[in-house]
Amino acid sequence: AQRVTQPEKLLSVFKGAPVELKCNYSYSGSPELFWYVQYSRQRLQLLLRHISRESIKGFTADLNKGETSFHLKKPFAQEEDSAMYYCALGVYNTDKLIFGTGTRLQVFP
Amino acid sequence: DVKVTQSSRYLVKRTGEKVFLECVQDMDHENMFWYRQDPGLGLRLIYFSYDVKMKEKGDIPEGYSVSREKKERFSLILESASTNQTSMYLCASSSSGTANTEAFFGQGTRLTVV
Repeated sequence: AQRVTQPEKLLSVFKGAPVELKCNYSYSGSPELFWYVQYSRQRLQLLLRHISRESIKGFTADLNKGETSFHLKKPFAQEEDSAMYYCALGVYNTDKLIFGTGTRLQVFP
Repeated sequence: DVKVTQSSRYLVKRTGEKVFLECVQDMDHENMFWYRQDPGLGLRLIYFSYDVKMKEKGDIPEGYSVSREKKERFSLILESASTNQTSMYLCASSSSGTANTEAFFGQGTRLTVV
């Protein structure tokens, strides 16, 4: 079965601290993984996808197939990073997108 | 600017009513999705459509149906609304051909069933 697990509902840090939002997946095929973000009063939007190997707003995520993880990291959190973050799995050959339960990141000044 | 538009931002309906949530996209996308978003439960897929008149059940289809008569429009129907269907509903669309494609979301419809 396809599943995405985000173990933390809430992560609170101070500005300038490192951030790691955890994501684990369960999938028998080759995974396509994403991080989506929802800022307050805004629609959900793509932050980054693993295949692009890009850094967006200072965030990076590395796919670890051995640990079936796709954790989101940022070395120095900013207040404007406060948002809801969702990890998502693209199911090959169906275009279906499965989301995790989300982690709320709070960055305090 | 890409757009996924949901017809209502807020809706209040009575128990037992038939409810229609409408979603329109202007990107000529093949795929359209309906999710519900609940605190602590994340986004749960209700239904998915990969072409006109084609649909697939998601994880929580019970109590819902969908209609896709035109490529740009995907409707979610609550046959007989119940209080446990009070939620935020999100529509999304994406192009087909790869699981790596980006999904674009609407602004959401907050439905309250009383």
